[in-house]
Amino acid sequence: DIQMTQSPSSLSASVGDRVTITCRASQDINNYLAWYQQKPGKVPKLLIYAASTLQSGVPSRFSGSGSGTDFTLTISSLQPEDVATYYCQKYNSAPRTFGQGTKVEVK
Amino acid sequence: QLQLQESGPGLVKPSETLSLTCTVSGDSITGSTYYWGWIRQPPGKGLEWIGSVYYSGSTYYNPSLKSRVTISVDMSKNQFSLKLTSVTAADTAVYYCAKRPSGPGPFDSWGQGLLVHVSS
Repeated sequence: DIQMTQSPSSLSASVGDRVTITCRASQDINNYLAWYQQKPGKVPKLLIYAASTLQSGVPSRFSGSGSGTDFTLTISSLQPEDVATYYCQKYNSAPRTFGQGTKVEVK
Repeated sequence: QLQLQESGPGLVKPSETLSLTCTVSGDSITGSTYYWGWIRQPPGKGLEWIGSVYYSGSTYYNPSLKSRVTISVDMSKNQFSLKLTSVTAADTAVYYCAKRPSGPGPFDSWGQGLLVHVSS
């Protein structure tokens, strides 16, 4: 099975900072990669699919890039409401594995 | 607008079977463009994909759970269900039902989640 590895596992940044989270697949998954945001106590929310396509209603400060095995989620200017855990997920085939998550905090 | 709602017992005894139902409203579960899935999240931990089902009954399961999991559809009730046998404390989690496109696609609509404790 393909493994999904995120880094870092957590980070703390200031409001306005650029934040980057990476997700690595153990095998080529083309661009079948999604990013989810889960705020504390809330349901996961789809942010990005097809590695770089923003889901409707998601602020433009979020962006995704990558293909193959290496992917990136970027928040261009961190806002207080972005405090959350972010997960990547491969969806090219079963099992549709999630990364272990990256917890983002504001300093 | 499509909505998903999980239901079932919040407490299950060890070695018994966990049974949950997801009720779909706002669209038909027989829509040929969707797969229906279950994802779980142990307290304080990450997300784990359990499996998915198509309205025809076609299923995909996480290999780590495959021997204990059954996901099925009840078209007459517009519901799909999860059965997990021989549960242990490690199966304590919030269980989410969700929808994804029938081709390769992410889970774009989720239920609110249901916390299930496994304890005697």
